[in-house]
Amino acid sequence: KAGVTQTPRYLIKTRGQQVTLSCSPISGHRSVSWYQQTPGQGLQFLFEYFSETQRNKGNFPGRFSGRQFSNSRSEMNVSTLELGDSALYLCASSLQADLADTQYFGPGTRLTVL
Amino acid sequence: GIQVEQSPPDLILQEGANSTLRCNFSDSVNNLQWFHQNPWGQLINLFYIPSGTKQNGRLSATTVATERYSLLYISSSQTTDSGVYFCAMDTGRRALTFGSGTRLQVQP
Repeated sequence: KAGVTQTPRYLIKTRGQQVTLSCSPISGHRSVSWYQQTPGQGLQFLFEYFSETQRNKGNFPGRFSGRQFSNSRSEMNVSTLELGDSALYLCASSLQADLADTQYFGPGTRLTVL
Repeated sequence: GIQVEQSPPDLILQEGANSTLRCNFSDSVNNLQWFHQNPWGQLINLFYIPSGTKQNGRLSATTVATERYSLLYISSSQTTDSGVYFCAMDTGRRALTFGSGTRLQVQP
C-alpha cells in the first residue's frame, strides 16, 4: 500500500507570493492533518480535515488555509508569504476520525521564502 | 495548554550502546505517541502508548500515566537509529502537541 505522498517536495518562493501544497493520504484514510516544522518553534499543528470538513485549526493567521477533496486528498495554501513561513510542512493521515489511531506522515514539503 | 518536555535534548552514542529517552507531560495522558524523524525529515510512528509497555524489536516504550511520563528505550543502537525522536500527545482536539525532541547521533 502506498504511503502518504506530498508534492512538491521542495519549493522556493519570494515574499508576498502565495503557495499551494498537496497531500495524498494512504488509500482509505479519511483524516488528514497538517503540521509546520521550524527550527525555532518545532512541530506545530496547522489544521485537521475529515470528510471534507475542517474540524480543528491551530494558532496560525488567516493566511494559512486548506481544504480536503472528496477523495480525501488535501491542499493547504499560504498567501502573502513571509520569511518566517520558511519551514518543512508535513501532512499526516489516519484511518479513523480519532487520534487514537496511528498517524502516518508524508515526507514533507520544504518551503523556502526569500 | 498541554506541555510536553523531552530529555535529553542531544545524545551521542557509540554503536551497540543502549539509551533511554524521557518524555514528561503536564496533563493527563491522551493518545501519547513516539515518532522518529530521520535525517531526511520523514516522521515514522514508533509507538502509540497511552499506558503500559510495548516492544518492537530493539525498541520499547513505557508510559506511566499516573506519574505523567513516558520512556523510550533503544537497545544495541545502530547508525540507522540516528535522527530526532519526538513524543507527542493529543490536545483533546485531534491535534498532536509535540515535544522539542531528542537528537540522537549513533557513531560507528
